[in-house]
Amino acid sequence: NAGVTQTPKFQVLKTGQSMTLQCAQDMNHNSMYWYRQDPGMGLRLIYYSASEGTTDKGEVPNGYNVSRLNKREFSLRLESAAPSQTSVYFCASSEQGTSGIKNIQYFGAGTRLSVL
Amino acid sequence: RKEVEQDPGPFNVPEGATVAFNCTYSNSASQSFFWYRQDCRKEPKLLMSVYSSGNEDGRFTAQLNRASQYISLLIRDSKLSDSATYLCVVTTVYNFNKFYFGSGTKLNVKP
Repeated sequence: NAGVTQTPKFQVLKTGQSMTLQCAQDMNHNSMYWYRQDPGMGLRLIYYSASEGTTDKGEVPNGYNVSRLNKREFSLRLESAAPSQTSVYFCASSEQGTSGIKNIQYFGAGTRLSVL
Repeated sequence: RKEVEQDPGPFNVPEGATVAFNCTYSNSASQSFFWYRQDCRKEPKLLMSVYSSGNEDGRFTAQLNRASQYISLLIRDSKLSDSATYLCVVTTVYNFNKFYFGSGTKLNVKP
């Protein structure tokens, strides 16, 4: 019962370095999401993918790029990391195709990223 | 203005107490409502969806008030294990793929 798997769990970068956060889900969900969580700010949507082959910007997309590699995988890339991107990053998935109370999100365990 | 607002707390209550949280949302087109629970340094997990008529799941009761644009969560007979941050989540009719999260209400249940 893997659900949503994120790698890595922890990462320290220097300013200007690049990296890719990986996310995979095994629930055959259509929709996938990337959030960041900062103290006192709640979760903020970076990008989402409603289905394979599509991606859309969320609330805070600047400084990030995403790739929906296939139905299972959705990656988040930081091209040139900045200290303001120090955060906890969560990947999530949901079964698209329904609005309403059954549209539930399932989260990965998170990636704790520090940019020095 | 934030889409979803919550009192950050913390709410410090003794075991066995009843505690209630409210969450207000700003968009009248909001359609679906949820409560998620997040333990310290863990991922959010669904606690319960909120039905239009209100719903109950064991010790937990959720209510929706569309006229005043808020949802509530009532926890009865609090347990130590209920200590967590409770996140209010909303989607709208325009895009049910976009989930708006409140910043959470922290609950500490003490012996």
